[in-house]
Amino acid sequence: DAKTTQPTSMDCAEGRAANLPCNHSTISGNEYVYWYRQIHSQGPQYIIHGLKNNETNEMASLIITEDRKSSTLILPHATLRDTAVYYCIVRPGISGGYQKVTFGIGTKLQVIP
Amino acid sequence: DAGVIQSPRHEVTEMGQEVTLRCKPISGHNSLFWYRQTMMRGLELLIYFNNNVPIDDSGMPEDRFSAKMPNASFSTLKIQPSEPRDSAVYFCASSQREAAEQFFGPGTRLTVL
Repeated sequence: DAKTTQPTSMDCAEGRAANLPCNHSTISGNEYVYWYRQIHSQGPQYIIHGLKNNETNEMASLIITEDRKSSTLILPHATLRDTAVYYCIVRPGISGGYQKVTFGIGTKLQVIP
Repeated sequence: DAGVIQSPRHEVTEMGQEVTLRCKPISGHNSLFWYRQTMMRGLELLIYFNNNVPIDDSGMPEDRFSAKMPNASFSTLKIQPSEPRDSAVYFCASSQREAAEQFFGPGTRLTVL
Protein backbone atom coordinates (compact mmCIF):
# COMPACT_ATOMS: atom_id res chain seq x y z
CA ASP A 1 0.00 0.00 0.00
CA ALA A 2 2.13 2.85 -1.36
CA LYS A 3 1.86 6.09 0.57
CA THR A 4 3.93 8.08 -1.92
CA THR A 5 4.15 8.38 -5.68
CA GLN A 6 7.32 9.46 -7.45
CA PRO A 7 8.41 9.54 -11.10
CA THR A 8 10.53 6.53 -11.96
CA SER A 9 13.37 8.55 -13.44
CA MET A 10 14.56 12.08 -14.14
CA ASP A 11 17.50 13.76 -15.81
CA CYS A 12 19.15 16.99 -14.74
CA ALA A 13 22.00 18.97 -16.26
CA GLU A 14 25.06 19.39 -14.10
CA GLY A 15 25.03 22.72 -12.27
CA ARG A 16 21.30 23.17 -12.62
CA ALA A 17 18.72 22.71 -9.90
CA ALA A 18 17.20 19.25 -9.62
CA ASN A 19 13.56 19.30 -8.56
CA LEU A 20 12.24 15.91 -7.49
CA PRO A 21 8.48 15.70 -6.92
CA CYS A 22 6.58 13.43 -4.58
CA ASN A 23 2.85 12.97 -4.14
CA HIS A 24 1.50 11.91 -0.75
CA SER A 25 -2.18 12.74 -0.95
CA THR A 26 -3.15 10.46 1.97
CA ILE A 27 -0.65 11.90 4.43
CA SER A 28 -1.92 12.16 8.00
CA GLY A 29 -1.63 15.19 10.24
CA ASN A 30 1.16 13.70 12.36
CA GLU A 31 3.19 12.29 9.46
CA TYR A 32 6.40 13.81 8.24
CA VAL A 33 7.92 13.69 4.76
CA TYR A 34 11.40 12.16 4.72
CA TRP A 35 13.85 11.99 1.85
CA TYR A 36 16.69 9.53 1.47
CA ARG A 37 18.96 8.80 -1.46
CA GLN A 38 20.98 5.77 -2.46
CA ILE A 39 24.08 6.19 -4.55
CA HIS A 40 25.02 3.09 -6.51
CA SER A 41 26.50 0.32 -4.35
CA GLN A 42 26.10 2.33 -1.15
CA GLY A 43 23.60 2.30 1.70
CA PRO A 44 20.72 4.78 1.69
CA GLN A 45 21.58 8.21 3.04
CA TYR A 46 19.24 10.50 4.96
CA ILE A 47 18.77 13.89 3.29
CA ILE A 48 16.06 15.94 4.96
CA HIS A 49 12.60 15.80 6.48
CA GLY A 50 9.74 18.16 7.23
CA LEU A 51 6.20 18.40 8.55
CA LYS A 52 4.59 21.43 6.91
CA ASN A 53 7.16 24.20 6.75
CA ASN A 54 9.81 24.36 4.09
CA GLU A 55 13.15 23.05 5.28
CA THR A 56 16.71 23.60 4.13
CA ASN A 57 20.00 22.05 5.11
CA GLU A 58 23.44 21.75 3.60
CA MET A 59 22.30 19.06 1.19
CA ALA A 60 18.92 20.16 -0.09
CA SER A 61 15.70 22.08 0.34
CA LEU A 62 12.28 20.56 0.93
CA ILE A 63 9.19 22.39 -0.24
CA ILE A 64 5.87 21.07 1.08
CA THR A 65 2.60 22.34 -0.37
CA GLU A 66 0.15 24.05 1.93
CA ASP A 67 -2.29 21.13 1.79
CA ARG A 68 0.69 18.78 2.43
CA LYS A 69 -0.40 16.46 -0.37
CA SER A 70 2.82 16.85 -2.28
CA SER A 71 6.38 18.00 -1.86
CA THR A 72 9.50 18.74 -3.87
CA LEU A 73 13.09 18.00 -3.00
CA ILE A 74 15.44 20.58 -4.49
CA LEU A 75 19.14 20.04 -5.07
CA PRO A 76 20.15 23.63 -5.90
CA HIS A 77 23.25 22.89 -8.00
CA ALA A 78 23.30 19.26 -9.05
CA THR A 79 26.66 17.56 -9.49
CA LEU A 80 27.54 14.21 -10.99
CA ARG A 81 27.85 12.87 -7.44
CA ASP A 82 24.13 13.51 -6.95
CA THR A 83 23.28 10.75 -9.43
CA ALA A 84 21.31 8.33 -7.25
CA VAL A 85 17.91 6.88 -6.46
CA TYR A 86 15.89 9.30 -4.32
CA TYR A 87 13.22 7.95 -1.97
CA CYS A 88 10.33 9.96 -0.61
CA ILE A 89 8.85 8.44 2.56
CA VAL A 90 5.94 9.39 4.77
CA ARG A 91 6.11 8.39 8.41
CA PRO A 92 5.28 9.63 11.91
CA GLY A 93 7.70 12.01 13.56
CA ILE A 94 9.90 11.29 16.56
CA SER A 95 7.00 11.33 19.00
CA GLY A 96 4.96 9.00 16.85
CA GLY A 97 6.71 5.82 17.78
CA TYR A 98 7.73 2.98 15.54
CA GLN A 99 6.33 2.48 12.08
CA LYS A 100 7.90 0.31 9.44
CA VAL A 101 9.60 2.43 6.78
CA THR A 102 8.70 1.46 3.22
CA PHE A 103 11.20 2.76 0.70
CA GLY A 104 9.33 2.05 -2.52
CA ILE A 105 10.95 2.33 -5.94
CA GLY A 106 12.07 5.94 -5.73
CA THR A 107 13.21 8.28 -8.51
CA LYS A 108 16.39 7.50 -10.34
CA LEU A 109 18.07 10.88 -10.90
CA GLN A 110 20.70 11.02 -13.60
CA VAL A 111 22.86 14.15 -13.58
CA ILE A 112 24.20 14.76 -17.07
CA PRO A 113 27.52 16.53 -17.72
CA ASP B 1 32.20 9.02 14.24
CA ALA B 2 32.76 5.85 12.20
CA GLY B 3 29.14 5.41 11.21
CA VAL B 4 27.44 2.05 11.05
CA ILE B 5 29.96 -0.73 10.50
CA GLN B 6 29.10 -3.95 8.72
CA SER B 7 31.16 -7.05 8.09
CA PRO B 8 31.95 -8.77 5.91
CA ARG B 9 31.47 -6.45 2.94
CA HIS B 10 31.25 -9.38 0.57
CA GLU B 11 30.39 -13.00 1.23
CA VAL B 12 30.29 -15.86 -1.24
CA THR B 13 29.11 -19.19 0.04
CA GLU B 14 27.60 -22.42 -1.15
CA MET B 15 24.02 -23.46 -0.72
CA GLY B 16 23.41 -25.10 2.64
CA GLN B 17 26.16 -23.24 4.47
CA GLU B 18 25.58 -21.02 7.47
CA VAL B 19 26.11 -17.30 6.93
CA THR B 20 26.55 -14.71 9.69
CA LEU B 21 26.42 -11.00 8.98
CA ARG B 22 27.58 -8.51 11.58
CA CYS B 23 26.68 -4.95 12.44
CA LYS B 24 27.98 -2.32 14.83
CA PRO B 25 25.53 0.58 15.16
CA ILE B 26 26.48 4.18 15.81
CA SER B 27 27.30 4.69 19.49
CA GLY B 28 24.35 6.08 21.40
CA HIS B 29 21.75 4.87 18.92
CA ASN B 30 19.13 2.66 20.54
CA SER B 31 17.33 1.44 17.41
CA LEU B 32 18.76 -1.02 14.92
CA PHE B 33 17.32 -2.23 11.64
CA TRP B 34 18.26 -5.02 9.22
CA TYR B 35 17.22 -4.59 5.58
CA ARG B 36 17.61 -6.71 2.46
CA GLN B 37 17.81 -5.27 -1.05
CA THR B 38 17.29 -7.10 -4.32
CA MET B 39 16.48 -5.92 -7.80
CA MET B 40 13.13 -7.68 -7.73
CA ARG B 41 11.89 -6.65 -4.29
CA GLY B 42 13.77 -3.44 -3.58
CA LEU B 43 14.68 -2.52 0.00
CA GLU B 44 12.80 -4.59 2.58
CA LEU B 45 12.88 -4.33 6.35
CA LEU B 46 13.70 -7.68 7.91
CA ILE B 47 13.79 -6.92 11.63
CA TYR B 48 13.89 -3.97 14.00
CA PHE B 49 15.43 -3.83 17.50
CA ASN B 50 14.80 -1.16 20.11
CA ASN B 51 17.10 -1.14 23.16
CA ASN B 52 18.40 -4.57 22.08
CA VAL B 53 14.91 -6.10 22.04
CA PRO B 54 13.35 -7.34 18.79
CA ILE B 55 10.21 -5.29 18.19
CA ASP B 56 9.19 -6.13 14.64
CA ASP B 57 10.39 -9.31 12.92
CA SER B 58 7.48 -9.58 10.50
CA GLY B 59 9.84 -9.11 7.59
CA MET B 60 12.03 -12.11 8.38
CA PRO B 61 11.43 -14.44 5.42
CA GLU B 62 11.37 -17.77 7.24
CA ASP B 63 12.87 -19.75 10.06
CA ARG B 64 16.19 -20.01 8.27
CA PHE B 65 16.75 -16.37 9.21
CA SER B 66 17.52 -15.28 12.76
CA ALA B 67 18.84 -12.08 14.29
CA LYS B 68 20.30 -11.23 17.66
CA MET B 69 21.40 -8.13 19.47
CA PRO B 70 23.29 -9.22 22.59
CA ASN B 71 24.28 -5.66 23.49
CA ALA B 72 23.90 -2.09 22.32
CA SER B 73 26.97 -2.20 20.11
CA PHE B 74 26.56 -5.44 18.18
CA SER B 75 24.01 -7.34 16.15
CA THR B 76 24.09 -10.41 13.93
CA LEU B 77 21.88 -11.70 11.16
CA LYS B 78 22.25 -15.42 10.55
CA ILE B 79 21.01 -17.54 7.67
CA GLN B 80 21.08 -21.29 8.17
CA PRO B 81 20.95 -23.05 5.78
CA SER B 82 21.55 -20.51 3.04
CA GLU B 83 19.87 -20.79 -0.37
CA PRO B 84 20.62 -19.13 -3.73
CA ARG B 85 17.48 -16.96 -3.40
CA ASP B 86 19.04 -15.36 -0.30
CA SER B 87 21.57 -13.64 -2.55
CA ALA B 88 21.14 -9.90 -1.95
CA VAL B 89 22.70 -6.88 -0.32
CA TYR B 90 21.98 -6.78 3.40
CA PHE B 91 22.02 -3.40 5.12
CA CYS B 92 22.11 -2.55 8.79
CA ALA B 93 20.88 0.85 9.95
CA SER B 94 20.65 2.58 13.30
CA SER B 95 18.85 5.61 14.69
CA GLN B 96 18.87 7.60 17.92
CA ARG B 97 15.22 6.90 18.53
CA GLU B 98 12.83 4.51 16.86
CA ALA B 99 11.16 7.17 14.72
CA ALA B 100 14.24 9.28 13.96
CA GLU B 101 16.19 9.29 10.73
CA GLN B 102 18.13 6.13 10.04
CA PHE B 103 21.83 5.90 9.24
CA PHE B 104 22.80 3.00 7.03
CA GLY B 105 25.95 0.95 6.85
CA PRO B 106 27.74 0.11 3.59
CA GLY B 107 26.00 -3.24 3.30
CA THR B 108 27.08 -6.85 2.90
CA ARG B 109 26.77 -8.31 -0.60
CA LEU B 110 25.86 -11.98 -0.17
CA THR B 111 26.11 -14.47 -2.99
CA VAL B 112 24.89 -18.00 -2.41
CA LEU B 113 25.96 -20.44 -5.13
